[in-house]
Amino acid sequence: NAGVTQTPKFQVLKTGQSMTLQCAQDMNHNSMYWYRQDPGMGLRLIYYSASEGTTDKGEVPNGYNVSRLNKREFSLRLESAAPSQTSVYFCASSEAILRDTQYFGPGTRLTVL
Amino acid sequence: EDKVVQSPLSLVVHEGDTVTLNCSYEVTNFRSLLWYKQEKKAPTFLFMLTSSGIEKKSGRLSSILDKKELFSILNITATQTGDSAIYLCAVEEGSQGNLIFGKGTKLSVKP
Repeated sequence: NAGVTQTPKFQVLKTGQSMTLQCAQDMNHNSMYWYRQDPGMGLRLIYYSASEGTTDKGEVPNGYNVSRLNKREFSLRLESAAPSQTSVYFCASSEAILRDTQYFGPGTRLTVL
Repeated sequence: EDKVVQSPLSLVVHEGDTVTLNCSYEVTNFRSLLWYKQEKKAPTFLFMLTSSGIEKKSGRLSSILDKKELFSILNITATQTGDSAIYLCAVEEGSQGNLIFGKGTKLSVKP
């Protein structure tokens, strides 16, 4: 039981490049989330998926897209990376939409040059 | 505009001290308030509070919510160096349960 896994752990991109951050959970949770964390800002919600087949914008969705591929997987895509997207990205999951403990992945540290 | 404000932003104490971290909020459709501890990587969940006046405890940590005055406190007694971390407060609001985070309180416990 790996919990929430994220790949990659580290990534360096050049401005304008695209990439997808992968997240998977093996806890049969319904809800999944993507956050970014910046110094002094706390965690900010980018997108979330209350259940398979649904996605909704969070606090800071601009510049990102998501796909809830199936119940296990929730990916975050940067179509054209910008330096402002340099951050640590966390994926999380919970049984129900924010009614239960969220379990976080280890994070992906992204640097955009 | 919805917001969550934590204070202080940073705090340095000595082992054995008791600390109180504060979180105030203004949201339009409150559902719950959550506390997280973040050390090096992903935040770990501490407490979820939905009702006023009911203290939640876990070892040396405790938290309480005041829905009338719109704030919560997180208490840590007999602090240890392992308590050094950033403590995040988040408020769940709205029908979809969106989370709004505060900026965190950075706690440093010196031996």
